[in-house]
Amino acid sequence: EPEVTQTPSHQVTQMGQEVILRCVPISNHLYFYWYRQILGQKVEFLVSFYNNEISEKSEIFDDQFSVERPDGSNFTLKIRSTKLEDSAMYFCASSEQGFSNQPQHFGDGTRLSIL
Amino acid sequence: QQQVKQSPQSLIVQKGGISIINCAYENTAFDYFPWYQQFPGKGPALLIAIRPDVSEKKEGRFTISFNKSAKQFSLHIMDSQPGDSATYFCALTGGFKTIFGAGTRLFVKA
Repeated sequence: EPEVTQTPSHQVTQMGQEVILRCVPISNHLYFYWYRQILGQKVEFLVSFYNNEISEKSEIFDDQFSVERPDGSNFTLKIRSTKLEDSAMYFCASSEQGFSNQPQHFGDGTRLSIL
Repeated sequence: QQQVKQSPQSLIVQKGGISIINCAYENTAFDYFPWYQQFPGKGPALLIAIRPDVSEKKEGRFTISFNKSAKQFSLHIMDSQPGDSATYFCALTGGFKTIFGAGTRLFVKA
């Protein structure tokens, strides 16, 4: 079964540094999402992306965050100047279409640790 | 503002018993109500979902009950098994946005 893959599985970064998290969505999917989950807490929506544009973003997704689909397969989340509170699991998801009832398939996440 | 409230935080059920997890929401703008299952070290996986024009949906041992007027929906796991031990999240989906509940840690005792 096709799956969403995320790299790296664990990223350790100094506070203030830039970090890029990478995702390869399922190949025929057109809609892409990023979520984060602070340890032991709920999954929080960050951003959705379609046709090289942000479709919707949450209040968490401020100017420090950006997303990009640099080629036909990768989908990236960049955090420009990391803060301690950015430490979390970051999940990428994709869906075939953008309708609400289309299932989102999640990757296994990247654990981001900010020192 | 907390848009979805999930309870209980944790649940211990005997093998073969029924696990019940509840969610209440405020905003009626959402039009799809999924439940996700998450095992440690893994991403959430869609378990079952319901649209608001349906009051109940059953898939195998998993049933969603939906009460639109009360703005509540619940997940019932029948004949709970140790392999069901995981964290369960209810969610609200509308447009391109999904809001998750706080999660319920389910432990099924053998």
